Amino acid sequence: QSVLTQPPSVSASPGQKVTISCSGSSSNIGKNYVSWYQQLPGTAPKLLIYENNRRPSGIPDRFSGSKSGTSATLGITGLQTGDEADYYCGTWDNSLSAGAVPVVFGGGTKLTVL
Amino acid sequence: QITLKESGPTLVKPTQTLTLTCTFSGFSLDRSGVGVGWIRQPPGKALECLAFIHWNDDKFYSPSLKSRLTITKDTSKNQVVLTMTNMDPVDTATYYCAHAWGNYGSEFYYYYSGMDVWGQGTTVTVSS
Repeated sequence: QSVLTQPPSVSASPGQKVTISCSGSSSNIGKNYVSWYQQLPGTAPKLLIYENNRRPSGIPDRFSGSKSGTSATLGITGLQTGDEADYYCGTWDNSLSAGAVPVVFGGGTKLTVL
Repeated sequence: QITLKESGPTLVKPTQTLTLTCTFSGFSLDRSGVGVGWIRQPPGKALECLAFIHWNDDKFYSPSLKSRLTITKDTSKNQVVLTMTNMDPVDTATYYCAHAWGNYGSEFYYYYSGMDVWGQGTTVTVSS
């Protein structure tokens, strides 16, 4: 059971827009930055969004992030077949016991571009 | 340019100890705010951060695996080593190491920014 909750799957057609939600709590998303990762089949995760809404160099502006309260959202516009992947949200969690790893991830969302 | 690469055995027997090494370049693990995490992903499942080591040598472990894990760093060799004892078939997974960063704000609160560079991963199978 992941600390952060994501929908298992979303789908949309090429060219459309899709959003992926990530729900947490006051101890994680509520007081910390959220990052988003894209994992193409058979590859390592890749950072898409950091600090809620910032894109690393090389990430197209079709990808966007936002945060409100204890939830965050990843948006992808102009969907392409190459966007088919698993997407994970991640953040820091302050509520865990001393010595517990504070880096937490969502359960992942599989994006299908129909 | 930051790079990380995992190395270690691809096959271990049940009850054996797994030792994985993350060799990195392009950053220093004694720089304030920097950390390295070990993340695993069983086949078809989600990411799970197993252990994290901070620039100041603070160490954190997954509560469910804490008794089996040890993470250490060697800044002179640019390596982070993870050991996991008493391996079981359920530990079969791809293991990644990743560079993490963040900054300290008021009252020394650590603002974690994310994991920006990941290694390619190493697949470990636990089987007799």
